[in-house]
Amino acid sequence: DAGVTQSPTHLIKTRGQHVTLRCSPISGHKSVSWYQQVLGQGPQFIFQYYEKEERGRGNFPDRFSARQFPNYSSELNVNALLLGDSALYLCASSRRSTGLADTIYFGEGSWLTVV
Amino acid sequence: AQTVTQSQPEMSVQEAETVTLSCTYDTSESDYYLFWYKQPPSRQMILVIRQEAYKQQNATENRFSVNFQKAAKSFSLKISDSQLGDAAMYFCAYRSLISGNTPLVFGKGTRLSVIA
Repeated sequence: DAGVTQSPTHLIKTRGQHVTLRCSPISGHKSVSWYQQVLGQGPQFIFQYYEKEERGRGNFPDRFSARQFPNYSSELNVNALLLGDSALYLCASSRRSTGLADTIYFGEGSWLTVV
Repeated sequence: AQTVTQSQPEMSVQEAETVTLSCTYDTSESDYYLFWYKQPPSRQMILVIRQEAYKQQNATENRFSVNFQKAAKSFSLKISDSQLGDAAMYFCAYRSLISGNTPLVFGKGTRLSVIA
């Protein structure tokens, strides 16, 4: 089975623009989470979606939004990009929302550079 | 809020030797999970080992083992017989058991170099 897949792998945007990042979870996984990893830091939680509903949100501005589709894939949208949004955006999937024994699987990330 | 601290930004180890990576965390909760993740240059986070806080026995996965000291809020990772493929960023992470939504809280990471 394919792992968590993310697209695009790399992209460059200009300040003020909008970006959409995409994620396909592992088959059978219904929970998708997004993390932002700034260079030299550990990942920070942005959103979690389960069964197409937002189940958690980290400390990020309203410029960040996400959604989950009926096939459990997900999009992360960022509006009005700032230089500080340059980061690796990681998508993670697991079978359930509250299954703490579930292993969380990560994709290889989308590297966003804002110039 | 929970915090995770990794005090060693970089570590190095000779091939076949043993290295220990440190992690401390701060929480008021009694039930939680702790994890070590490996992030190689490919950037994909890979789970190395997991420890449930209610278990007194330290987790072990092949060459990887942890020293979990709950009272001291310490969770170190020991890598035995280090291999070149172990070179990567290692992140310690915490996951609460309290609420339904339980995101991972990561430390800043330790970059491990393996010297041939």
